[in-house]
Amino acid sequence: KQEVTQIPAALSVPEGENLVLNCSFTDSAIYNLQWFRQDPGKGLTSLLLIQSSQREQTSGRLNASLDKSSGRSTLYIAASQPGDSATYLCAVGNAGGTSYGKLTFGQGTILTVHP
Amino acid sequence: EPEVTQTPSHQVTQMGQEVILRCVPISNHLYFYWYRQILGQKVEFLVSFYNNEISEKSEIFDDQFSVERPDGSNFTLKIRSTKLEDSAMYFCAIPRDRAGGYTFGSGTRLTVV
Repeated sequence: KQEVTQIPAALSVPEGENLVLNCSFTDSAIYNLQWFRQDPGKGLTSLLLIQSSQREQTSGRLNASLDKSSGRSTLYIAASQPGDSATYLCAVGNAGGTSYGKLTFGQGTILTVHP
Repeated sequence: EPEVTQTPSHQVTQMGQEVILRCVPISNHLYFYWYRQILGQKVEFLVSFYNNEISEKSEIFDDQFSVERPDGSNFTLKIRSTKLEDSAMYFCAIPRDRAGGYTFGSGTRLTVV
């Protein structure tokens, strides 16, 4: 059974800092890995998706890497801003022979960026 | 990117009552998923639905739960007799591309009292 763990559970940084969020998973037979953002009481917004054959993806100030063999992914946020404050979720896509497999989520990292 | 609307956004119900949560994607989809998130806990997979049939369900998805596609355009999650522990945010999700990305709805907050 796939287990996804995220560290740290919470992170508080001053504006402008670069930061790294970590995600690990137990079963390396994944289809993809996705990072989501969740604002309090809101839905999930997809940030980045990395296919199992890829090593990293970038979008603006965000960069996600994937090391499938070691079961790890990192989300790097450059030049953090107060608007980045949210919960960041890592989710692993099931490699069940279809691209539309279920997702297994980590518990999230609560990020606070203070001015 | 496809959009997904969930209704209601918040529902309060008494224990033992039936609730129906609705999910309406902006365009037709064969696949959809339901997830839930109990306050302070992980987002958990409930069920996947493909072409009018359940393709996979978790151990959470017991006989109290059912899913339907009543009119071809929207999807419902029904909880027949709600329990206190069913209180959670319920999200539906649809695939947005063949790379395996998903679009999630904004969620329904269910409170069972």
